[in-house]
Amino acid sequence: GAVVSQHPSWVICKSGTSVKIECRSLDFQATTMFWYRQFPKQSLMLMATSNEGSKATYEQGVEKDKFLINHASLTLSTLTVTSAHPEDSSFYICSARGVSYNSPLHFGNGTRLTVT
Amino acid sequence: AQTVTQSQPEMSVQEAETVTLSCTYDTSESDYYLFWYKQPPSRQMILVIRQEAYKQQNATENRFSVNFQKAAKSFSLKISDSQLGDAAMYFCAYNTDKLIFGTGTRLQVFP
Repeated sequence: GAVVSQHPSWVICKSGTSVKIECRSLDFQATTMFWYRQFPKQSLMLMATSNEGSKATYEQGVEKDKFLINHASLTLSTLTVTSAHPEDSSFYICSARGVSYNSPLHFGNGTRLTVT
Repeated sequence: AQTVTQSQPEMSVQEAETVTLSCTYDTSESDYYLFWYKQPPSRQMILVIRQEAYKQQNATENRFSVNFQKAAKSFSLKISDSQLGDAAMYFCAYNTDKLIFGTGTRLQVFP
């Protein structure tokens, strides 16, 4: 089946630094990628939707200047957490979808970010 | 805005028994998809079952089946012959142009 690779699986960074998370579709072209955030014992909250070659659409309440999303190719999207703070510590999950909006979503394994 | 509600934060079931997880959603769309995802402790999202809104027939995948009531905007998941490996968080999700998740139900399976 389709595979989405998310890297790194975990990262620890100091407050004030930036962290980049990559999401790659390995065997299909991902027209759309989604970024989610999940706090412990909570659901996945959609942060933003990115379409290849265009600006990401952010959900209400998500700071676009803090969570920079780039989707420069059909196989790669990146999420950069800029000037990270301890409250940004969370589990981030990407998912990717093919051409049609009803194509199945494939999820990465997630990235656990800890900001000290 | 679309919303997805799971009213059962936790459920438990005896091994080999049947359990039903509830999900309701709110939408003004007529064409959409509904999903149940399983998230074990590894936190990998695993697709359990999928239902197209235009299909009246309830989806079935082995031990997993749904009861889809479009007019009531209800989409429950039935797990038959429960196994220890079924223990996980279960999320109901609604999809049109983006996938919105419910709050989740933690399922425990007792031997």
